[in-house]
Amino acid sequence: EPEVTQTPSHQVTQMGQEVILRCVPISNHLYFYWYRQILGQKVEFLVSFYNNEISEKSEIFDDQFSVERPDGSNFTLKIRSTKLEDSAMYFCASRVYAGANVLTFGAGSRLTVL
Amino acid sequence: KQEVTQIPAALSVPEGENLVLNCSFTDSAIYNLQWFRQDPGKGLTSLLLIQSSQREQTSGRLNASLDKSSGRSTLYIAASQPGDSATYLCAVDPQGGSEKLVFGKGTKLTVNP
Repeated sequence: EPEVTQTPSHQVTQMGQEVILRCVPISNHLYFYWYRQILGQKVEFLVSFYNNEISEKSEIFDDQFSVERPDGSNFTLKIRSTKLEDSAMYFCASRVYAGANVLTFGAGSRLTVL
Repeated sequence: KQEVTQIPAALSVPEGENLVLNCSFTDSAIYNLQWFRQDPGKGLTSLLLIQSSQREQTSGRLNASLDKSSGRSTLYIAASQPGDSATYLCAVDPQGGSEKLVFGKGTKLTVNP
């Protein structure tokens, strides 16, 4: 069964460092998402991406965050200068089209900021 | 603003028992509702998706119902097994142009052998 692949599975970084989390969505999917889950809290929406541009972002997704799909396959989330509160599990997700379709999540990338 | 609540937060049952997990949402304007399973430290696995026009969906021992007008969904698990132990998340896909799923905090299920 097709799956969404995320790397790395776990990254430890120092506060202030840049981090790039990578995702390979399912090949025929057109809509891409990043969500995060701080330990013990709800899964929260960060950003949606379609047709090579951001279609929606949450208030969490400030100037420290950026997304891109540089080569038509990888979908990346960059955090420019990490803070302690960025420590969370980051999930990539994709679906064929928005609205009435199942959203498929990756296994997540755990980010620990020290 | 859409809010999703799941009750109970945790549930412990003996193997073989049938059980119901509850999800409620504040805004009935949704495209669909999805139930996910999350194992510790892992990603989210989609279990069932119910379109707003549907009343229920079934997959094996799982049955999910949706009452959009009252803002409620239930996930029924028949003949529970220890392998069902996980956190179950409910998420709604809102109408109105927003693409984001809104999640509940989940119900942590433990099925004891």
